[in-house]
Amino acid sequence: GQQLNQSPQSMFIQEGEDVSMNCTSSSIFNTWLWYKQDPGEGPVLLIALYKAGELTSNGRLTAQFGITRKDSFLNISASIPSDVGIYFCAGNMSQGNLIFGKGTKLSVKP
Amino acid sequence: GAVVSQHPSRVICKSGTSVKIECRSLDFQATTMFWYRQFPKQSLMLMATSNEGSKATYEQGVEKDKFLINHASLTLSTLTVTSAHPEDSSFYICSASYGTERRGNTIYFGEGSWLTVV
Repeated sequence: GQQLNQSPQSMFIQEGEDVSMNCTSSSIFNTWLWYKQDPGEGPVLLIALYKAGELTSNGRLTAQFGITRKDSFLNISASIPSDVGIYFCAGNMSQGNLIFGKGTKLSVKP
Repeated sequence: GAVVSQHPSRVICKSGTSVKIECRSLDFQATTMFWYRQFPKQSLMLMATSNEGSKATYEQGVEKDKFLINHASLTLSTLTVTSAHPEDSSFYICSASYGTERRGNTIYFGEGSWLTVV
């Protein structure tokens, strides 16, 4: 099915470094959502964005809904080992019908 | 925030038997829930949309007679894998839409259910 273009596919960084990942699409979305998934568990919502241009923070995480409504980025500042996991972006066109990116696998070296 | 719970978290069943997975919205009503399947190291694949009080809508390629979905109440949807085979072994995840007029819809996921068919 349709998917968002999420990059990078994987990142291997040093503890304390900042992280940035983004998603782009040819389609316009009403909502952008960012999730983190640990192995063997369901995705956990990190940040939800509802309006074009919206910039939202959740602790060390910051995400923005692009002005064109076709893209979004997620930044993690001062990464720590527990940030390890797979991060997914998701766009919501209608009520709950999410389109997912392929995920960004984050590894953090202590 | 909204909480979605799945049960069981892990289940092992024999080939040819059926197994039921439950998805509950614990603190909100969900007229629509979604069922996903996830293969190792891959993103989530939408299987079907579960609508309270009506038939589920299945994605292309998903057998509706094999993956039975029942959304009997505003807080419960069930996925039954019928006549399970080893290739049905996978991680199944449900989600529910929670929305407010002010903020719009946000999707919350259950913890996921590991199915192993032996």
